[in-house]
Amino acid sequence: DTAVSQTPKYLVTQMGNDKSIKCEQNLGHDTMYWYKQDSKKFLKIMFSYNNKELIINETVPNRFSPKSPDKAHLNLHINSLELGDSAVYFCASSQGWGGGNQPQHFGDGTRLSIL
Amino acid sequence: SQQGEEDPQALSIQEGENATMNCSYKTSINNLQWYRQNSGRGLVHLILIRSNEREKHSGRLRVTLDTSKKSSSLLITASRAADTASYFCATDARYNFNKFYFGSGTKLNVKP
Repeated sequence: DTAVSQTPKYLVTQMGNDKSIKCEQNLGHDTMYWYKQDSKKFLKIMFSYNNKELIINETVPNRFSPKSPDKAHLNLHINSLELGDSAVYFCASSQGWGGGNQPQHFGDGTRLSIL
Repeated sequence: SQQGEEDPQALSIQEGENATMNCSYKTSINNLQWYRQNSGRGLVHLILIRSNEREKHSGRLRVTLDTSKKSSSLLITASRAADTASYFCATDARYNFNKFYFGSGTKLNVKP
């Protein structure tokens, strides 16, 4: 069974469109994260939720809006997509809260390409 | 910013050799983690080392932490072709519990 699953795996869309990426974890973890990995493999945290409550909101354009309907799900909605949004987006989860003191479990990523 | 920087950026070795990767960071931490990423996949957690620990082992992996130099190293002994991947260090921030930063990784190629 996949511990952290993201859908879709690939997303190709036009500039200006709105899209969503879904993430689910079956590990019973309290905290979930969204990361963006750019073409140089640099991985940057975007958001973190603990028990459905936003605890990290890095400097991310407000076109990006996370939503956590329950602690097993953290979705990412992106409005008015821009060329610079092309990247791989990773969802992750961990037990407890605070990114550094617990191992994080990652999904396999969503590869977003903006045409 | 508090981000780890891995060194070297790329490393190519023969199977059976040891691989050493280094990570440096800028400000005090509580914890440092190492992750592996295979091509096209998500990151996999390898080892977590706390700021009061100096060394940790897991199988063929050995991690050291020198808080005075703000650096860590990951040693993979007797490397295998399956170890080919990118390796990342990640740090938190001592006085900001919610911050968590990754570097851009070391790309390791183990030739059979």
